[in-house]
Amino acid sequence: EVQLVQSGAEVKKPGESLKISCKGSGFTFATYWIAWVRQVPGKGLEWMGIIYPGDSDTKYSPSFQGQVTISADKSISSAYLQWSSLKASDTAMYYCATALMDVWGQGTTVTVSS
Amino acid sequence: DIQMTQSPSSLSASVGDRVTITCRASQGIRNDLGWYQQKPGKAPKRLIYAASSLQSGVPSRFSGSGSGTEFTLTISSLQPEDLATYYCLQHNTYPHTFGQGTKLEIK
Repeated sequence: EVQLVQSGAEVKKPGESLKISCKGSGFTFATYWIAWVRQVPGKGLEWMGIIYPGDSDTKYSPSFQGQVTISADKSISSAYLQWSSLKASDTAMYYCATALMDVWGQGTTVTVSS
Repeated sequence: DIQMTQSPSSLSASVGDRVTITCRASQGIRNDLGWYQQKPGKAPKRLIYAASSLQSGVPSRFSGSGSGTEFTLTISSLQPEDLATYYCLQHNTYPHTFGQGTKLEIK
C-alpha cells in the first residue's frame, strides 16, 4: 500500500527549533516529488514547497522561502520540514503529499505557544 | 505566482441538487489542475486529476471540466456525505497554488 506517515504532534515555545518528518512506503520514494502543505486552523490549504528526494532539488513558495527548510533522506524514504526559530504564527496542521497530491500523510499538528 | 480564484466560497444545497464549483486561473495552466475534498478533521483527498479524470474509487457523481483558465467541479446529485470543503490546485507552474476553498453545507 502506498502511504505517507508523518511524525506526531508537537508543542513548542516561540524561538525553539523543530523538524517534522514524512516517511513513504509502498513506492520508490526517491523518484517522487514530495510537497508540504500548511493549514492554519479554520483556514485553507497553502502550498509551501516541494522536494525531489533523488537529488534533493527543492522549490519553495515565495511565502515560505527563508521561513522553513525542506529536506529529504532517500536512504530512509523520508522528507522533512524544519524551522530554526518558531513563531506563534507557525501554529498549524502540516501535511506532506505526493506532488500531484494523490497520496497524503495524516498531518502533523504544530502548536507554538509560550 | 498563478492565482486561483475559486467560487463560491460557501454554498448550501439540498440532497439531490446539482452543485457546481468554479476555479479561474490568472493565466493558462492547460489541464494541470486537480480537485480535492477535505472533510472536517481529515486530510484532503483527490477527486479529480488532469482537470477531468476521475480518481479511482471516487463516486461517478463527481466530474470535472475545463482547460486553460476556467475549470469546474460538478456534483451531479448531492449526497449527505459530500459535506466538506473543496479545493482546486494548479500544478502547472511553481509555486503550485490552491484555490481559497468552497465550504459545502447540506440544507
